[in-house]
Amino acid sequence: DAGITQSPRHKVTETGTPVTLRCHQTENHRYMYWYRQDPGHGLRLIHYSYGVKDTDKGEVSDGYSVSRSKTEDFLLTLESATSSQTSVYFCAISVSGSGDTQYFGPGTRLTVL
Amino acid sequence: DAKTTQPNSMESNEEEPVHLPCNHSTISGTDYIHWYRQLPSQGPEYVIHGLTSNVNNRMASLAIAEDRKSSTLILHRATLRDAAVYYCILRDIRADGLTFGKGTHLIIQP
Repeated sequence: DAGITQSPRHKVTETGTPVTLRCHQTENHRYMYWYRQDPGHGLRLIHYSYGVKDTDKGEVSDGYSVSRSKTEDFLLTLESATSSQTSVYFCAISVSGSGDTQYFGPGTRLTVL
Repeated sequence: DAKTTQPNSMESNEEEPVHLPCNHSTISGTDYIHWYRQLPSQGPEYVIHGLTSNVNNRMASLAIAEDRKSSTLILHRATLRDAAVYYCILRDIRADGLTFGKGTHLIIQP
């Protein structure tokens, strides 16, 4: 157990509303990641962070923003949710970043109507 | 990350060994071979990784071909709890995120 929690675990929202997903870790690891998983696709990287206030884009970052104001929390925000953002979102952490093993949270299932 | 090829699905019997193959013919010298698995309704879980030599841990063994163009994940004695999607991933030491393919859906029959 890598001490990762995600909240909420399930959310239903309407198109055009803002949504924030939270990832919380208890291990004080430097690196944190947000992925999404859709049917027919493997997990795809949205954004990642390599320290407080240090973030970068992943493969599918359009429509998403992130913030990391403290080590233990990494927030993913959908400024104006669209139906194409209906997905399962996973947070992950790693100890040393590049090439290192990643540990995943339980996921958040988001439905945008 | 370089591309991997895995069978879509495999079936095995409980308490028997399982060999999950992965082809990665375009692997580069700096790519590590990682295996993750994802049980139903859960996040991915790290299984094992290696570079050139075979590796063993409490969950599985990883056999890497001498030319590194293929590898095999070995579950020595499958249980029903091993039913999952298994992902073979090449990870460059400089890479940030993981690049997941579609993986192999392993079905375990009692």
